[in-house]
Amino acid sequence: GDSVTQMEGPVTLSEEAFLTINCTYTATGYPSLFWYVQYPGEGLQLLLKATKADDKGSNKGFEATYRKETTSFHLEKGSVQVSDSAVYFCALRRNDMRFGAGTRLTVKP
Amino acid sequence: NAGVTQTPKFQVLKTGQSMTLQCAQDMNHEYMSWYRQDPGMGLRLIHYSVGAGITDQGEVPNGYNVSRSTTEDFPLRLLSAAPSQTSVYFCASRFPLADTQYFGPGTRLTVL
Repeated sequence: GDSVTQMEGPVTLSEEAFLTINCTYTATGYPSLFWYVQYPGEGLQLLLKATKADDKGSNKGFEATYRKETTSFHLEKGSVQVSDSAVYFCALRRNDMRFGAGTRLTVKP
Repeated sequence: NAGVTQTPKFQVLKTGQSMTLQCAQDMNHEYMSWYRQDPGMGLRLIHYSVGAGITDQGEVPNGYNVSRSTTEDFPLRLLSAAPSQTSVYFCASRFPLADTQYFGPGTRLTVL
């Protein structure tokens, strides 16, 4: 069945460091791919999405490119801030949503 | 718009007790779903509904019941709570063909 695998955390970075969180997926066809973010005590919020191969989703300085050839959708940000500290979930959707296990990011000043 | 609301925020149950987690949305979304979030396992789909009167099972439906009598409400019932159901529960909704899913704030359930 469809599944998402993302890098295990936690990830701890200093402010202004470069961020990469790896995500790979298994699915037939061309699912839509997503990154969701969960801040402490809150529900998930959509961060960015891509619906077809080679699409790049971007929002708030975060980017991810839909790579069909490597079945990947890695999340990147060039310069993280303390306010980016959260749990990040990679997800795919064909009929229903499938989520990765989540990666906790902590950014220290 | 209140978005997706969930009650209660916290609940403690004893093994064998029953309860209903409430979920409501005011965005006229046809599609609603329930997830549970457990450490290291991400979110797993329990049940979902594509419209009033229609429900279906997700990845982990055992021990849970749902019904959808109106577009707005999608309650999740635990018939006989077990410690394995200790988790954080999220309700979500969206339009059927939309990519963006809206999540409620969650209910943290502990079963002793």
